[in-house]
Amino acid sequence: DTAVSQTPKYLVTQMGNDKSIKCEQNLGHDTMYWYKQDSKKFLKIMFSYNNKELIINETVPNRFSPKSPDKAHLNLHINSLELGDSAVYFCASSQDSRTSGYETQYFGPGTRLLVL
Amino acid sequence: ILNVEQSPQSLHVQEGDSTNFTCSFPSSNFYALHWYRWETAKSPEALFVMTLNGDEKKKGRISATLNTKEGYSYLYIKGSQPEDSATYLCAFTNYNQGGKLIFGQGTELSVKP
Repeated sequence: DTAVSQTPKYLVTQMGNDKSIKCEQNLGHDTMYWYKQDSKKFLKIMFSYNNKELIINETVPNRFSPKSPDKAHLNLHINSLELGDSAVYFCASSQDSRTSGYETQYFGPGTRLLVL
Repeated sequence: ILNVEQSPQSLHVQEGDSTNFTCSFPSSNFYALHWYRWETAKSPEALFVMTLNGDEKKKGRISATLNTKEGYSYLYIKGSQPEDSATYLCAFTNYNQGGKLIFGQGTELSVKP
């Protein structure tokens, strides 16, 4: 069973479109994250949610909006896609990490987004 | 701005060689240091989490040490095997940051048979 899953695995779309990436974890974790792997291959945090509550909200364009219907799911919606949004997006989850940072984060397989 | 730096960026070794790489991070307000192993086309996989100065962790042929006062961690691989080929990432976090990990760029290890 896949612990952290993301769909789709690949996403090719036109500039200006709106798209969503879904993430689900079956580990019973309270916290979920979205990371972006930038052009220099750094993994950078975008958002985190703890039990449906937004905890981390880094400086990302407001075209990106996370949605957490329940603690096992954290979806990423991107409006008006731009060329620079092309990247690999990773979802992750961990035990409750609101006040500490030693919980291991478990990563999904990534979604490769290409904006044409 | 908090930066995590890893060196070298890439490393090519022969099977059987032992190797090590470095992760440097800000030493003030340190809380935890994570090491991940990332194979191409797969997800990053956790190796170690270390919190205390002087911590040493070991998993098979891979071990790591931590110096929080000077802000560095070493990852060692003894007797490298081709299956150790991967990118090794370290990530640092301060206290009360809600699990916000700041990642280094990684060290890409290639082990030739």
